[in-house]
Amino acid sequence: LAKTTQPISMDSYEGQEVNITCSHNNIATNDYITWYQQFPSQGPRFIIQGYKTKVTNEVASLFIPADRKSSTLSLPRVSLSDTAVYYCLVVRGNQGGKLIFGQGTELSVKP
Amino acid sequence: GAVVSQHPSWVICKSGTSVKIECRSLDFQATTMFWYRQFPKQSLMLMATSNEGSKATYEQGVEKDKFLINHASLTLSTLTVTSAHPEDSSFYICSASGGALMGTEAFFGQGTRLTVV
Repeated sequence: LAKTTQPISMDSYEGQEVNITCSHNNIATNDYITWYQQFPSQGPRFIIQGYKTKVTNEVASLFIPADRKSSTLSLPRVSLSDTAVYYCLVVRGNQGGKLIFGQGTELSVKP
Repeated sequence: GAVVSQHPSWVICKSGTSVKIECRSLDFQATTMFWYRQFPKQSLMLMATSNEGSKATYEQGVEKDKFLINHASLTLSTLTVTSAHPEDSSFYICSASGGALMGTEAFFGQGTRLTVV
């Protein structure tokens, strides 16, 4: 599976839009890009998944350029409760839930 | 969404004893379950993959005789940490997948904090 690289940490303020970029240069044709959120002492929670272009749900948007070598998770108008670690993962279509986690991005939202 | 429950949420045990952690899929049949370990300020590390009714597949460096995994039904997998030592203290997390019908998404339990004293 393609290795992912993302910033170790980011700071933001309440109400701002936060964009976390992840690079995955060796992504394969049948790989999907998936983002998870983890709060301290909890299991990760699925945020969003995409294959190409743009995906949006009630929580976030995911932007994927045509070459798919990177992706950007966009969190609109963050609040204090969005303080968490965000993981970008490349998931193979036939892996059935097997996830290999990278380092993640620790997002700190300040008042 | 699909719900995965772990039990217990935390446990303290004496060095040399064994501890069992349960992972249950509450509203779907989990053909595959995964066990992860997470040390403080670190990412999740995949320990093993278990398929219902078959032996677990362990990742490189994970001792299969120390971390016993049983996946006897489509809704329950257990991880037993045998002869636990302080260095086994960690946050253990399970996830479950429903196979092709449920796509690539994995559903995580809330985790179990193990402290070995």
